[in-house]
Amino acid sequence: NAGVTQTPKFQVLKTGQSMTLQCAQDMNHEYMSWYRQDPGMGLRLIHYSVGAGITDQGEVPNGYNVSRSTTEDFPLRLLSAAPSQTSVYFCASNHDRAQETQYFGPGTRLLVL
Amino acid sequence: LAKTTQPVSMDSYEGQEVNITCSHNNIATNDYITWYQQFPSQGPRFIIQGYKTKVTNEVASLFIPADRKSSTLSLPRVSLSDTAVYYCLVGDGISSGSARQLTFGSGTQLTVLP
Repeated sequence: NAGVTQTPKFQVLKTGQSMTLQCAQDMNHEYMSWYRQDPGMGLRLIHYSVGAGITDQGEVPNGYNVSRSTTEDFPLRLLSAAPSQTSVYFCASNHDRAQETQYFGPGTRLLVL
Repeated sequence: LAKTTQPVSMDSYEGQEVNITCSHNNIATNDYITWYQQFPSQGPRFIIQGYKTKVTNEVASLFIPADRKSSTLSLPRVSLSDTAVYYCLVGDGISSGSARQLTFGSGTQLTVLP
């Protein structure tokens, strides 16, 4: 199993540009989540999904959209990038309950100029 | 959701035992306590989880007193490679009848010195 994969590894955007961060998992996990991590800070939950077709907001959802059309994929969309969205983004998945072990991807470093 | 409080940072020396305590005064009956470890430029990695008393695995031990209002992660004989951020999470993911995801706090930066 590849586990949780994320693409791209690194991206530079200009303010106002849009992009999609990709996340995929091959463990047949129901839960998938997106976090952002800013320097010296912990992880903050952006959006999460408890199954295909079901998504919900986390702590910091503004400026981000998600969808979950399949169990495997959970893309994160930035419709109009802002410098405040410069961060490292982690995708995670876990089985069928929130307290189950989360498996994290390698992260995407995003720089918005 | 139960709020957690951990020390911001801790220093230790190689070979010592390290104990990191997490306070969670309003933990609910169904909540589990989970600890993650994060190295620089990597995603967090699950260390250990418990509900009450003591849990031990090949990496760490987790001590939970009877009132469950705190928990202590114990790392035996730390090495330089244990330098990382350690997060304590509390919850069962259920709030008001709908499923929710657990949340990370700011964590504890453990620095192991030679």
